[in-house]
Amino acid sequence: KAGVTQTPRYLIKTRGQQVTLSCSPISGHRSVSWYQQTPGQGLQFLFEYFSETQRNKGNFPGRFSGRQFSNSRSEMNVSTLELGDSALYLCASSLWGSGRADTQYFGPGTRLTVL
Amino acid sequence: GESVGLHLPTLSVQEGDNSIINCAYSNSASDYFIWYKQESGKGPQFIIDIRSNMDKRQGQRVTVLLNKTVKHLSLQIAATQPGDSAVYFCAESTGGGNKLTFGTGTQLKVEL
Repeated sequence: KAGVTQTPRYLIKTRGQQVTLSCSPISGHRSVSWYQQTPGQGLQFLFEYFSETQRNKGNFPGRFSGRQFSNSRSEMNVSTLELGDSALYLCASSLWGSGRADTQYFGPGTRLTVL
Repeated sequence: GESVGLHLPTLSVQEGDNSIINCAYSNSASDYFIWYKQESGKGPQFIIDIRSNMDKRQGQRVTVLLNKTVKHLSLQIAATQPGDSAVYFCAESTGGGNKLTFGTGTQLKVEL
């Protein structure tokens, strides 16, 4: 079974631009979560989607948004990029999204560099 | 100014020895715990998980111990191999959700 895939793997943007990252979960998984990883802050939860609905949200500004499609694929968008948004963005999928914490499997990440 | 990176504690072990990586958590309501391994340039890889109704769980060469009294979690790796060299993260969640709170990580170095 194929793992979690993320595209693109690398991105370079300039301040003020916006970016869209994509995540395809493991087949059959319905929950997709996004995390940001930086040297300064470590791994931080952004948001989780299940059945096209955002179920949980972390402490990030409204410039960070996401959505999930009917096939469980997910995208996250960052608008008005800032230098501090440079990070590895990780997507994780799991079978379920509520009631019982489920094992999350991570993709390889998208490395975003903001210049 | 420059951001200061998190200081990762480092554990150095000899090949073949057992490794113990520790993690403290603060939320007494946390009910699910999980360990990940992250190699350079890759996403976190699932190792083992445990729910709060258990104290111990074993996998292949790995054991997770949970002490809820002192809010402490540990990962034991038996017969550590060079391929085990990586950063190890513990994470927790509360109330059945998938929102994971991660620890800062521990760098495991296996010396030949």
